[in-house]
Amino acid sequence: QKEVEQNSGPLSVPEGAIASLNCTYSDRGSQSFFWYRQYSGKSPELIMSIYSNGDKEDGRFTAQLNKASQYVSLLIRDSQPSDSATYLCAVNTNSNSGYALNFGKGTSLLVTP
Amino acid sequence: DTGVSQDPRHKITKRGQNVTFRCDPISEHNRLYWYRQTLGQGPEFLTYFQNEAQLEKSRLLSDRFSAERPKGSFSTLEIQRTEQGDSAMYLCASTTEIPEQYFGPGTRLTVT
Repeated sequence: QKEVEQNSGPLSVPEGAIASLNCTYSDRGSQSFFWYRQYSGKSPELIMSIYSNGDKEDGRFTAQLNKASQYVSLLIRDSQPSDSATYLCAVNTNSNSGYALNFGKGTSLLVTP
Repeated sequence: DTGVSQDPRHKITKRGQNVTFRCDPISEHNRLYWYRQTLGQGPEFLTYFQNEAQLEKSRLLSDRFSAERPKGSFSTLEIQRTEQGDSAMYLCASTTEIPEQYFGPGTRLTVT
């Protein structure tokens, strides 16, 4: 079983701070990496995708990928209470399954006012 | 709204009954995926369609589960002889030839 590991949290940060969410994966052949946000009772919402080593920024979100260390992270700057949710790390398995995603269990983020 | 839609949003059924869920992907998305998510877990892959062809099924998809995508547009997921362990959120996602997948709102199944 190819694993995607996340700290379940909860991770608590004060409003305006930087939230740092981490994810490791076991399949060295993984090509695509995603962060989804999931509010309680709702479905996952794609917020970031990253394919190559380094940083990718989109608004307050920055995804970081290090394939050598098999590590991907998500930084949320200027955290807001509305960012409180579970953040799911997802990694594509292989092309034979048409990029089926392998998810971690998610990290619960709580942003306190 | 042109996103992925799923119906019904909630389903309560008694153990042993059959249930069927429907997913309508984003228009022109040729790839469609079904996932299952239980409380405290991430979504788990069930099956994948490219157009009308079902190209992969997970070990999670027992013989009580069947999925179809007859015309390469909407898809159905049927569970026969439901068990309490089938209680979960059933999620559908779609995409084109790119890896990013977009999820529908899900169908929450409760088996009593």
